[in-house]
Amino acid sequence: LAKTTQPISMDSYEGQEVNITCSHNNIATNDYITWYQQFPSQGPRFIIQGYKTKVTNEVASLFIPADRKSSTLSLPRVSLSDTAVYYCLVGASGGYNKLIFGAGTRLAVHP
Amino acid sequence: GAVVSQHPSRVICKSGTSVKIECRSLDFQATTMFWYRQFPKQSLMLMATSNEGSKATYEQGVEKDKFLINHASLTLSTLTVTSAHPEDSSFYICSARPRDRANSGNTIYFGEGSWLTVV
Repeated sequence: LAKTTQPISMDSYEGQEVNITCSHNNIATNDYITWYQQFPSQGPRFIIQGYKTKVTNEVASLFIPADRKSSTLSLPRVSLSDTAVYYCLVGASGGYNKLIFGAGTRLAVHP
Repeated sequence: GAVVSQHPSRVICKSGTSVKIECRSLDFQATTMFWYRQFPKQSLMLMATSNEGSKATYEQGVEKDKFLINHASLTLSTLTVTSAHPEDSSFYICSARPRDRANSGNTIYFGEGSWLTVV
């Protein structure tokens, strides 16, 4: 299972763009990259998933370089409500493949 | 998006008793469900993986006789903490992988979590 490394914490201000980078040097060919957001006392919430290049949805963008050994979650114009822990996970689809959580990045958005 | 529901959201039990937590996929069938536990300010730790109709696969260090997992249908998995002790107090979270991955991608969806306090 590919191990992930993220910054432990980040600080930002309302309205700024936040980029959180995750390293996954041992990612396998059939692994996808998925990002989750977790608020205190809640289960993780799916943000975005990708395999290569760039993926964008209504809340975030995910940038994946050609070697796929890292990925960057981009949150445009963060607000106070984006204060949470963000987890980057890699794993293959289907069957028994499981998702192992790393330490995550604790993002604090300030007024 | 897909919804996974856990019940109860909070439970307090006496030391030595057993408590059951349910995990349901409300709008999809789940071939695989996962159980995690999380201590305050720590990451999620995978406890076990359960597949419908078969025995759960436990992670190293997780006692299968203490944490009983049943995945009797494609929409329900249960975690029973037997002979609970105060150190079992934690936040327990389940997740489910949709059977129909063609429409859901490769995403795993998580429940809201269940707080267990053993007194």
